[in-house]
Amino acid sequence: EVQLVESGGGLVQPGGSLRLSCEVSGFIVTSHYFSWVRQAPGKGLEWVSVIYGGGSTYYADSVKGRFSISRDVSRNTLYLQMNSLRHEDTAVYYCARAQGGTDSAWYSYWGQGSRVTVSS
Amino acid sequence: QSVLTQPPSVSGAPGQRVTISCTGSTSNIGAGYDVHWYQQLPGAAPKLLIYGNENRAPGVSGRFSGSRSGTSASLAISGLQDEDGADYYCHSYDSALSGSVFGGGTKLTVL
Repeated sequence: EVQLVESGGGLVQPGGSLRLSCEVSGFIVTSHYFSWVRQAPGKGLEWVSVIYGGGSTYYADSVKGRFSISRDVSRNTLYLQMNSLRHEDTAVYYCARAQGGTDSAWYSYWGQGSRVTVSS
Repeated sequence: QSVLTQPPSVSGAPGQRVTISCTGSTSNIGAGYDVHWYQQLPGAAPKLLIYGNENRAPGVSGRFSGSRSGTSASLAISGLQDEDGADYYCHSYDSALSGSVFGGGTKLTVL
């Protein structure tokens, strides 16, 4: 059974750091590419980052230089390291497995989401 | 402001047909990049409905259909049912941003 389970969310002060994890089961993390997508309270979906099968990574301009996506093959887990957090980073963060070509991908599997609140 | 534009809300009575539009530009939909659609129920993660403009995801009812033309795409839902009440999002790729883009979402209310 395919499952993505996020963890690591919580309350953090502005300027702080947090690392989200997404444990993957049912397939190997290097066999597909994955994205993090976030949703601010009452708002729509926003793409955050992607890591391709070969390891290359891309980021939305809003998080570039502050967030870092990675994976651990031995743990079959995806990560999102978030530094210099801002109020506007408050959101539910979903990891999602992509399918299709790199510029035509859709997200066929989603985790349940991990809530991040940036507040003093 | 989302890169892809959707109407904030649509509504219809049970049994009716509604459409949700998704308007982009020449760097995303208009460039020929595929459009995908997701349904999100309150408090839940998004669920894939349509991929590659017109292909239904496994297990999705035939009442859902998608299309793309020019710089726009549409999701049609026929024979509206109460359980269709949800938020719907379109999704594509943008070459200027080198990443995925989403519409702002459309809230469907079944009257």
